[in-house]
Amino acid sequence: KQEVTQIPAALSVPEGENLVLNCSFTDSAIYNLQWFRQDPGKGLTSLLLIQSSQREQTSGRLNASLDKSSGRSTLYIAASQPGDSATYLCAVRSGGGADGLTFGKGTHLIIQP
Amino acid sequence: GAVVSQHPSRVICKSGTSVKIECRSLDFQATTMFWYRQFPKQSLMLMATSNEGSKATYEQGVEKDKFLINHASLTLSTLTVTSAHPEDSSFYICSARDGVGTSGALYGYTFGSGTRLTVV
Repeated sequence: KQEVTQIPAALSVPEGENLVLNCSFTDSAIYNLQWFRQDPGKGLTSLLLIQSSQREQTSGRLNASLDKSSGRSTLYIAASQPGDSATYLCAVRSGGGADGLTFGKGTHLIIQP
Repeated sequence: GAVVSQHPSRVICKSGTSVKIECRSLDFQATTMFWYRQFPKQSLMLMATSNEGSKATYEQGVEKDKFLINHASLTLSTLTVTSAHPEDSSFYICSARDGVGTSGALYGYTFGSGTRLTVV
């Protein structure tokens, strides 16, 4: 059964810093991995989608990498801003016919002004 | 881009009553939708996969008679929590794959805005 772990569980940094969020998964047989942002009491906003054949994806100040063989992904946020404060979720779509996503518990990020 | 609309965003109901949550894909057809539940400080857990025109597939430990799913059209799936109890209080959220066809594996998922259910 696929398990997704995110480290750290919480992170608080001053504005302007570059930071890295980590995600690991136990079963490397995945279709893709997706990073989401969740604001308090709200739904999920998709940030980046990485296919199993890809190494990384970039969108603006965000860069996500994927090392499928070692079961790891990182989300890099450059020049952090207070508006980046949210919970960041990592989710994998496993192979083998499974269709839904398996989520980590998330990293709660606070960017101090 | 793909948009999934979910209603209501918040509902409070009395114990023993039933609550229906709607999930609509606004600008695309979704043959498959997914329902998740999130308890405080926990990850989202897949409850069931909703298939248009057929029965839903439930994850282990999810009571299908309690959580009724209907996927009557290519743009609408509903989740009904029957005889709700306080332990059913949670954040429920639906999603759909924002693409169709044989390359379904290449597409990501779009999520609704979620429903906060409180059973008193």
